[in-house]
Amino acid sequence: EPEVTQTPSHQVTQMGQEVILRCVPISNHLYFYWYRQILGQKVEFLVSFYNNEISEKSEIFDDQFSVERPDGSNFTLKIRSTKLEDSAMYFCASSDGRLQETQYFGPGTRLLVL
Amino acid sequence: QKEVEQNSGPLSVPEGAIASLNCTYSDRGSQSFFWYRQYSGKSPELIMSIYSNGDKEDGRFTAQLNKASQYVSLLIRDSQPSDSATYLCAVPTGGGNKLTFGTGTQLKVEL
Repeated sequence: EPEVTQTPSHQVTQMGQEVILRCVPISNHLYFYWYRQILGQKVEFLVSFYNNEISEKSEIFDDQFSVERPDGSNFTLKIRSTKLEDSAMYFCASSDGRLQETQYFGPGTRLLVL
Repeated sequence: QKEVEQNSGPLSVPEGAIASLNCTYSDRGSQSFFWYRQYSGKSPELIMSIYSNGDKEDGRFTAQLNKASQYVSLLIRDSQPSDSATYLCAVPTGGGNKLTFGTGTQLKVEL
């Protein structure tokens, strides 16, 4: 069964450093998303991406964040200058063109900013 | 008012019993509703979606939707210890595809 994959599974970084989180969505899906979950809190939407551009973003997704689909398979989230409060699980999700809201999540990247 | 509300639990049920999980939402325009299961330290796993008023059954799971009351529930029949997890209610909000999640209800199925 097709699934969303994410790398790395864990990332430890120093405050102020740049990190890139990678995702490979399900191959025939057209819509891509990033969510995050701070430990003990609810899953929060960050950004959605369709047709090579951002379709929606939350107030969390400020200028420190960017997304890119550099080739036909990868979807990346970059945090330019990490802060302590960026420590969280980051989930990539994707959905197809027919049931756009039915989103399938990857296993996540646990980011720890020291 | 929170957009998606769930009782955080924990909800404890004995093995073999029916677990009933509830969710209310504030956006009257919402047309689709999702239940995800999340094991500790893992990602949300889609288990049910529902779009129309009434019941939708899939194996041991039944989702129930009442749009007039802005209420969606998930019933798990013949609960098993492996069902012990946090169940997340998710609703697309703001007219787009972004999902707004509730805080989740922790379910514990006891032997």
